[in-house]
Formats: sequence, C-alpha cells, structure tokens
Amino acid sequence: TQLLEQSPQFLSIQEGENLTVYCNSSSVFSSLQWYRQEPGEGPVLLVTVVTGGEVKKLKRLTFQFGDARKDSSLHITAAQPGDTGLYLCAGPNYGGATNKLIFGTGTLLAVQP
Amino acid sequence: DTAVSQTPKYLVTQMGNDKSIKCEQNLGHDTMYWYKQDSKKFLKIMFSYNNKELIINETVPNRFSPKSPDKAHLNLHINSLELGDSAVYFCASSYLNTGELFFGEGSRLTVL
Repeated sequence: TQLLEQSPQFLSIQEGENLTVYCNSSSVFSSLQWYRQEPGEGPVLLVTVVTGGEVKKLKRLTFQFGDARKDSSLHITAAQPGDTGLYLCAGPNYGGATNKLIFGTGTLLAVQP
Repeated sequence: DTAVSQTPKYLVTQMGNDKSIKCEQNLGHDTMYWYKQDSKKFLKIMFSYNNKELIINETVPNRFSPKSPDKAHLNLHINSLELGDSAVYFCASSYLNTGELFFGEGSRLTVL
C-alpha cells in the first residue's frame, strides 16, 4: 500500500519565520501535488511537480520533488497569517492512474501575527 | 461563479436515517469524485465517475450509493446512517488525464 507521510503534523510559528514541510514515501510517484485547505473549505491545488529534482516557486512558496521521486518538500519564506491552513501532498496510486490520488497525512500550519 | 458546488453544507441526523448530498461542477471536467475526510483530516477517495461511468469504487459499505446523471453532476446517497459515517464529504472534479482536483466546500455530516 502506498503511503505519504507528512511531517511535521502540526506547526505553529510567528509571522516572518521560515518553515519546511516534508512529504515522504517508500514508493515512487510519477508526480506529486500540493494542496492547501483552509477551515471550512475544500483543498485548493497549489502546484504539481512531475520531474525528479524539479523545483517550482509560487511567490514565497518553494516546492521540490526528490531526485528519486519518493519525496517532496514545501518551503515557505517569511510566513504570513494568510498561509495558515492544512497542507496536503498527494500522488497518483501505483500504476500511475492519475485520477486516483492518495493524500498525505497532512500538516496543519498556524501562523501567528 | 462557483466551480464545484455541493449541498447541503451541513447535515445533522439520527442513526438509521437516509441522507443525500448533491454535487455539481461547471468546469467542463469529465471526471468527478467523492472523498471522505475524517476527524484527523485524512482524505480518502470513495468513488470516481468518468463521463457517468463508475471507474473507482473503493472499499466502501454498500450503504453508500453514488449516482451520476450526467458528467456535471454526482450525488451520494447514504442509507442506514451509522455513527462512524460522521465526517466531511468532499466532491471534486478534474480532467481524467491530469488528475488535478478541484474540490467543493464539503458537506459536514454528523450522525447522532
């Protein structure tokens, strides 16, 4: 069974601090996605990484796909209260069926003003 | 314009009752999904339909019955509700070949 373990599970930081969230698996994924979910809403797609070693930037968010395509990280620079939410990584199930996403265990981030 | 809308947003009901959740998407996607998010925020796929055809049916009790009247709509009916069914149910849609999901706001089901 493919699993995506995220760490840390919870993170509470002050505005302006940097942080990194990790998404790890023992399985190889053809691609990985990152979503952010705010309270009372559904997850919203932030980025998809598809190539081993790929780095993508979205303003203050930097996403990296591991060289072996078994892990990914999300780095936030100078966090702001608007970054607060549940961050989820997700990848297609073994065999690459893109329509069946396995979600990670989630990282709940709280950024205090 | 809401891309993926689901109703109702909240359901509170007694054990043994039957309830339905409706979902509609106006993104032109060919694939729709039901996901369940438990109290630990873990998201798990339940069903997926592509152009009205069921393509994913995870290990879900047969009390749960999805229906897709057309590719823009996907409904979920739950019979004989149990306490363990309490969760947030999310509808989502995508193009089959991208798998990049667009989620609705969720329907929080509480079974008493």
